Amino acid sequence: KQEVTQIPAALSVPEGENLVLNCSFTDSAIYNLQWFRQDPGKGLTSLLLIQSSQREQTSGRLNASLDKSSGRSTLYIAASQPGDSATYLCAGRVSSYKLIFGSGTRLLVRP
Amino acid sequence: DAGITQSPRYKITETGRQVTLMCHQTWSHSYMFWYRQDLGHGLRLIYYSAAADITDKGEVPDGYVVSRSKTENFPLTLESATRSQTSVYFCASSDRSADGSENSPLHFGNGTRLTVT
Repeated sequence: KQEVTQIPAALSVPEGENLVLNCSFTDSAIYNLQWFRQDPGKGLTSLLLIQSSQREQTSGRLNASLDKSSGRSTLYIAASQPGDSATYLCAGRVSSYKLIFGSGTRLLVRP
Repeated sequence: DAGITQSPRYKITETGRQVTLMCHQTWSHSYMFWYRQDLGHGLRLIYYSAAADITDKGEVPDGYVVSRSKTENFPLTLESATRSQTSVYFCASSDRSADGSENSPLHFGNGTRLTVT
């Protein structure tokens, strides 16, 4: 059974720090790995999608990597800002209709 | 505006009542999904649809009904609401990849917070 785990569950950092969020999955047979951001009371916003054939994707201060052989993905946030405070979820797509979501990392960036 | 619109944003209903949550997307995406998000359970798939008139059960379909007569709409109906259906419901959509790679991203609406009293 495919499982997706995110560590840590919560993270608090001072503004300006670079940080890494981790996502691990048990089955390497995924089509892609997608990172989302969720603000309180809001839906999930897609940040980055890494196809299974890719190693990384970048968008602004965000960089996501994927290592299928080890079952790991990381989301790197450079020069963190208070506006980055949110819950970050990763999800592995295992079929046309099925994504397996992690339980998320709650990030607080302190001014 | 382009995107996914869910309505209502908040709903309070009584046990036993029928309630319908609406979802509308403007992208003409093939796939549409309904999830519920609960503390301790994360996101769970209720129903999904691969195209108009094609729907199928997800992980937790009991007590829910869906329809998809038009590509852009995917309503979710609770036939007889129960307290255990108190949750935040999210609709999502993604396109069908032309090469069959299933590499189109999933996009979510802002959710409907449903309380069953």
